[in-house]
Amino acid sequence: KQEVTQIPAALSVPEGENLVLNCSFTDSAIYNLQWFRQDPGKGLTSLLLIQSSQREQTSGRLNASLDKSSGRSTLYIAASQPGDSATYLCAVTNQAGTALIFGKGTTLSVSS
Amino acid sequence: ETGVTQSPTHLIKTRGQQVTLRCSSQSGHNTVSWYQQALGQGPQFIFQYYREEENGRGNFPPRFSGLQFPNYSSELNVNALELDDSALYLCASSLPGLNEKLFFGSGTQLSVL
Repeated sequence: KQEVTQIPAALSVPEGENLVLNCSFTDSAIYNLQWFRQDPGKGLTSLLLIQSSQREQTSGRLNASLDKSSGRSTLYIAASQPGDSATYLCAVTNQAGTALIFGKGTTLSVSS
Repeated sequence: ETGVTQSPTHLIKTRGQQVTLRCSSQSGHNTVSWYQQALGQGPQFIFQYYREEENGRGNFPPRFSGLQFPNYSSELNVNALELDDSALYLCASSLPGLNEKLFFGSGTQLSVL
């Protein structure tokens, strides 16, 4: 059974700092991995999708990497801003390709 | 291009009642998935619909059921509500395919008293 773990559960940083969020998964037979952002009480916004054949994806100040063999992904956020404060969720697509399996998320707080 | 919309945004029910949640998918998307997110947890997959047929189901009891309509909008029905059903219910739409991004609605916050 696929399990997704995110560390740390919460993180507080001052504005301008570069930071890394971690995600690990137990079964390397995935189709893709996605990183989402969730603001309190709201839906999810897809940030980056890395296909199983890819190693990384970049969008603006965000860079996500994928190492299938070790079951790990990282989300790197450069020059953090208060507007980046949110919960970041990692999810992998299951073998049937129908479901995303999520971690519990990392709640990020960026202070000005 | 319109996004994914869900209604209602908030709902309060009592134990044993039935509830229907609604979702309009993003324009052009024929695949709809439903997720349940309890407080402090990641979303859990309930089921997916593709072209009006159930296309996958998570570990939820039969009292959780769904429909997809010809215009690709969808409903989630929950019978015999239990206290543990209190959660944020999220709908997501996508194009078919393993590497298509999911686009989520803002969710329906259900409270069962």
